[in-house]
Amino acid sequence: DTAVSQTPKYLVTQMGNDKSIKCEQNLGHDTMYWYKQDSKKFLKIMFSYNNKELIINETVPNRFSPKSPDKAHLNLHINSLELGDSAVYFCASSQTTSGGGYNEQFFGPGTRLTVL
Amino acid sequence: KNEVEQSPQNLTAQEGEFITINCSYSVGISALHWLQQHPGGGIVSLFMLSSGKKKHGRLIATINIQEKHSSLHITASHPRDSAVYICAVTPPLIDKLIFGTGTRLQVFP
Repeated sequence: DTAVSQTPKYLVTQMGNDKSIKCEQNLGHDTMYWYKQDSKKFLKIMFSYNNKELIINETVPNRFSPKSPDKAHLNLHINSLELGDSAVYFCASSQTTSGGGYNEQFFGPGTRLTVL
Repeated sequence: KNEVEQSPQNLTAQEGEFITINCSYSVGISALHWLQQHPGGGIVSLFMLSSGKKKHGRLIATINIQEKHSSLHITASHPRDSAVYICAVTPPLIDKLIFGTGTRLQVFP
């Protein structure tokens, strides 16, 4: 049983194209995230959604547009891809506690995006 | 300077050795996380802690809130422990992770 899944696992595309990465979680969590891991393996948050509402947008270029059709899905659409977008993108999910606190995050397997 | 610093950056050990990875942070936190990234790329949460100490099998995580410091210990290390270990913090009232740069551990038989 896959807890957090992402598709595709690998994505190779030309500069200027538009592409999407899909993420789904079957854990019943209410919060989902997108993280970017750059070529130096450094991870940084891009977006978070809670119950389909955008909570965090961490100064990401507006070529990146997340969409959450329901709380089990958070997709990432990227317009006009640039060389610098090449990275590994991780989706994650967690469940906020009844007291409004935060729990551990569960990560998807990652999507390696290569822009040529 | 990163808000979360880890040391060492790289660590090699012989099987059976006791390993310590350190994490210091410069921001207020509601929790600190230790994550493991396998050579294949997947990321797994090992611990989330806000005080004291937690133990899971051969792994022990401690945190000192006053000193803004955490350590991850691995007892009786094994080659399968070879991975990148990442420290991350959650700031108060903000549901996100701020990551350290990771510590690459290689354990040789």
